[in-house]
Amino acid sequence: DQQVKQNSPSLSVQEGRISILNCDYTNSMFDYFLWYKKYPAEGPTFLISISSIKDKNEDGRFTVFLNKSAKHLSLHIVPSQPGDSAVYFCAARARNNNDMRFGAGTRLTVKP
Amino acid sequence: GAVVSQHPSWVICKSGTSVKIECRSLDFQATTMFWYRQFPKQSLMLMATSNEGSKATYEQGVEKDKFLINHASLTLSTLTVTSAHPEDSSFYICSARDRTSGLNEQFFGPGTRLTVL
Repeated sequence: DQQVKQNSPSLSVQEGRISILNCDYTNSMFDYFLWYKKYPAEGPTFLISISSIKDKNEDGRFTVFLNKSAKHLSLHIVPSQPGDSAVYFCAARARNNNDMRFGAGTRLTVKP
Repeated sequence: GAVVSQHPSWVICKSGTSVKIECRSLDFQATTMFWYRQFPKQSLMLMATSNEGSKATYEQGVEKDKFLINHASLTLSTLTVTSAHPEDSSFYICSARDRTSGLNEQFFGPGTRLTVL
């Protein structure tokens, strides 16, 4: 049961342009959403998060948007840099719950 | 941020043997640790949640007798893959929650690549 979906397995963007990574979820109990960045053979590292009481959270080049009615969130990276090339996982957590559910990931490639 | 280590980083074993993977929180106390498995080009799948001093809670479809989890202290959890088979070959990642932080702080280890021949 895939409760968190990232339908684009890969995305290629030119350096300096905007990268938009999308994520959809099905469980209405999710109230906290996170984006993780993962390099090969390494564990995920936390990037940015958003609570369900907000619709936008910004941290430097990274902005996460949440559309609760559509059960959709997106991560915007602008301007994109070659060092941003990695796999990005969307994750969601339900209220009063310990664990997170992850999407399948989107491999971002930023070309110089 | 907080550091979580895993050991070993990679292991190759023969079919039928058991393999133990350690997960340590190096600079914080973790009341809860999570074990994930990732197959190539697939998502991180939660296998089990372990709380210090109590039995692990396994996700549906994960065999508790095959994947033994022990969380004996606030800084150490172990995952033992018993009687490993080639289909158990995967990337295993642990994460730990800092008890002093809010619910949202969860830090991941670097992962362990298991290859069963």
